[in-house]
This record gives sequence, structure tokens and C-alpha cells, in this order.
Amino acid sequence: RKEVEQDPGPFNVPEGATVAFNCTYSNSASQSFFWYRQDCRKEPKLLMSVYSSGNEDGRFTAQLNRASQYISLLIRDSKLSDSATYLCAFKPPYGGSQGNLIFGKGTKLSVKP
Amino acid sequence: GAGVSQSPSNKVTEKGKDVELRCDPISGHTALYWYRQSLGQGLEFLIYFQGNSAPDKSGLPSDRFSAERTGGSVSTLTIQRTQQEDSAVYLCASSPGLTNTGELFFGEGSRLTVL
Repeated sequence: RKEVEQDPGPFNVPEGATVAFNCTYSNSASQSFFWYRQDCRKEPKLLMSVYSSGNEDGRFTAQLNRASQYISLLIRDSKLSDSATYLCAFKPPYGGSQGNLIFGKGTKLSVKP
Repeated sequence: GAGVSQSPSNKVTEKGKDVELRCDPISGHTALYWYRQSLGQGLEFLIYFQGNSAPDKSGLPSDRFSAERTGGSVSTLTIQRTQQEDSAVYLCASSPGLTNTGELFFGEGSRLTVL
């Protein structure tokens, strides 16, 4: 099983739709999970951290399911500007509190008028 | 600017040549990372520097790849005897290190094309 897996998409949704992405990870001891957003030909930027209790930021909700080893990102009321690639990332346990992030290949979202 | 600065933004080279890519992290950030991203692929970790500690080189794909970080600031990624499969966008990122919340601040990348 790969360290991290994401459905590459593309997810083509109309404006106003609700869309959800999952990201599975293989190492159950992994800590610290994140969602990054990457616009076309741009650098990735942190969208939000994923806390054990789940967290919400406006139209975006991130959740962690440790039992099934996945994180999710829910986008409500999609906007055209949400079109981007969404990368999940996590800190591997062998890195301790520091060290690199492992990134998924990303899920491409395209929001249509 | 106040962000991570990378140069060159684009580099076209011939197979077998050496290339150097430069990264200037955000001032005060002690952690510096190199990733590469090939077309349609995710971010592949290459190397990580944290302060004065020995770098984590576990992601370097071959001994043709090396990186240095001088004075705890600017870093150079060197690829020797480039191959066509080295073509990718090389992204540098920095973070505050010990106070890291997990947010990496990326530069715009250096797009390398090996002919």
C-alpha cells in the first residue's frame, strides 16, 4: 500500500455544489495532517490543518478518521475560484515533530458555471 | 519580497550538463526543504535542512543530486550529469522550524527541462 493515496479526479462540479475528497494514509502512527491547495502552475499553499476533532473554516471542513486511516475535505457551496488541485499532506512518524511532509498526488477540482 | 525566492525560474539544459538551482528562504526560517514535482505527479520529497543539524537526504533519488545550505540561509540544489527524467519543477519551501505548525511556505519553483 502506498504511503498516501488520493483520487486524482478531475472532479467536475457545478457552482454551488458540495464536493468531498478523501486521502488515505498507510502508517497508522502518522501525526499532523494537512490540506494544501495548488493552483495551475503555481506553488502549493496551506489550506487548512486537520485536527483530530475535525475543523471548519468557512465553506471548508476537514476531518480525520484514524480508524480507517483517511482524512477528508468537504467544500460546500463551490465557487469558480475553488478550481484547483487539492493536496493532502502528513508528517510521517519517523520524522518526529520536525521533518518533511509527505504529499499526495492531489485531487483536481474544476467548478463550472 | 518576503517570500521564498527561487532562481532560475526556468532552466533548459542538455543531457549530461550540471545544473544549480538556488533557494532563498524566508528570513528567520530555520527549516528548508526541496521537493520536485513532475507533470501530473505529486510532490516528491528530496532533502530537508533544519538549523545546524545534519540534513535529511533520504529523498535524493541518486548520487547525482546534492544540496547545500550555507550559513543557515540560502540553499543550492545541484544536479550533475542531468538526465531527461530529471525534468520537473523543483520547489523549495521553508518553515519556522521549531515552531512549525506544519505550514510550509513554497517558492514558485524552478522549472527544469533536460533535452
